[in-house]
Amino acid sequence: DVKVTQSSRYLVKRTGEKVFLECVQDMDHENMFWYRQDPGLGLRLIYFSYDVKMKEKGDIPEGYSVSREKKERFSLILESASTNQTSMYLCASSLQAGGPWNEQFFGPGTRLTVL
Amino acid sequence: GQNIDQPTEMTATEGAIVQINCTYQTSGFNGLFWYQQHAGEAPTFLSYNVLDGLEEKGRFSSFLSRSKGYSYLLLKELQMKDSASYLCAGYSGAGSYQLTFGKGTKLSVIP
Repeated sequence: DVKVTQSSRYLVKRTGEKVFLECVQDMDHENMFWYRQDPGLGLRLIYFSYDVKMKEKGDIPEGYSVSREKKERFSLILESASTNQTSMYLCASSLQAGGPWNEQFFGPGTRLTVL
Repeated sequence: GQNIDQPTEMTATEGAIVQINCTYQTSGFNGLFWYQQHAGEAPTFLSYNVLDGLEEKGRFSSFLSRSKGYSYLLLKELQMKDSASYLCAGYSGAGSYQLTFGKGTKLSVIP
């Protein structure tokens, strides 16, 4: 069974803290994605990676960085958390671009609150 | 990138049929996805259309018209468990890895 896991379901951090969100997939997928989801704004792409050590900016990369040292793991880093980064963060993976077999599989999400 | 538009909310009665529309810009089109997302859960894949026409999967069907930049998701014999948000998403361009999601349509099924 396809599996994308995220390190925490709920996280509370203080302004200015460095925050790591981890995502692991067991499907040997090339592509991995980080989104945030906010009411009224929908899912917005932060960063994605199509190969180990490769990364591309999405629509809203400011304030975030990512790391992909191994194929199965994609980390999202908030260098200095701010209250406007309070959100639901969703990780996803897909086999490759294009085609019906390349749907994205999502993890359960991490609800991050920054105080 | 894509510009995806869908209604914010819809309400339908148990046992009925509901159609959720989605429009997108046609430049760089490379297929359209529909996802279902229950409150507090992750989105799950429902369908993918890349050719014109209707694709049926049990109670759910998805339609695409590439020339009109239009898709819809059709849900038949509605059940209470179909209450969820339905997300329309398209690739940002030919060969793109990036999906652009619509803001989602929150469907409420009432008895």
